[in-house]
Amino acid sequence: EIVLTQSPATLSLSPGERATLSCRASQSVSNYLAWYQKKPGQAPRLLIYDASNRATGIPARFSGSGFGTDFTLTISSLEPEDFAIYYCQQRSHWPTFGGGTKVEIK
Amino acid sequence: QVQLVQSGAEVKKPGSSVKVSCKASGGTFDNSVISWVRQAPGQGLEWMGGIIPMSGQANYAQMFQDRVTITADDSTSAASMELTSLRSEDTAVYYCVRGYCSGGACYDWVFEIWGRGTLVSVSS
Repeated sequence: EIVLTQSPATLSLSPGERATLSCRASQSVSNYLAWYQKKPGQAPRLLIYDASNRATGIPARFSGSGFGTDFTLTISSLEPEDFAIYYCQQRSHWPTFGGGTKVEIK
Repeated sequence: QVQLVQSGAEVKKPGSSVKVSCKASGGTFDNSVISWVRQAPGQGLEWMGGIIPMSGQANYAQMFQDRVTITADDSTSAASMELTSLRSEDTAVYYCVRGYCSGGACYDWVFEIWGRGTLVSVSS
């Protein structure tokens, strides 16, 4: 099983600031990495797939990068609705998720 | 836009089984894989397994291999997940989710369309 480790566990930022979230895989997943946003009481929302492709309808402030074992999700300028938990997920082998990064209001 | 409609909340005793259903509304499974993902209270997301509705071929995460069965009927765009030998740690919200399709291609293990989730509570 491929283990995904996300850091930091919590990110405290203000609206308008830039958020940088990290996801590290225990072995190479090529570019088969996705990012999701999760809010309480809601289903997860797909943001990015295959490391850098925005899903349909996702705003341009969300971007992803990386290859192999190290990946980054960047939110260029935080909007109030972006405060949530973010999960990475690999599909190089049977799917696994990271433990999540909580982006909270500072 | 297709939506996935799941069955309602369940309360179960330890040792029993639960079956959660999922049906596409406003569309079909569209040749994509249907997976089940769960989230226990205060925990992260866990992929349990998935099925290719057209063929009926299912694959399961190793930790659920002995206890979960996923089925699907492609003609009706309906799927279900049965989990047996329930224990308190199985208390969670269970999501049905369809793979991402764009430009005629489907990415089976990219989870785009999610049901609203079904809360399964296991308690004596």
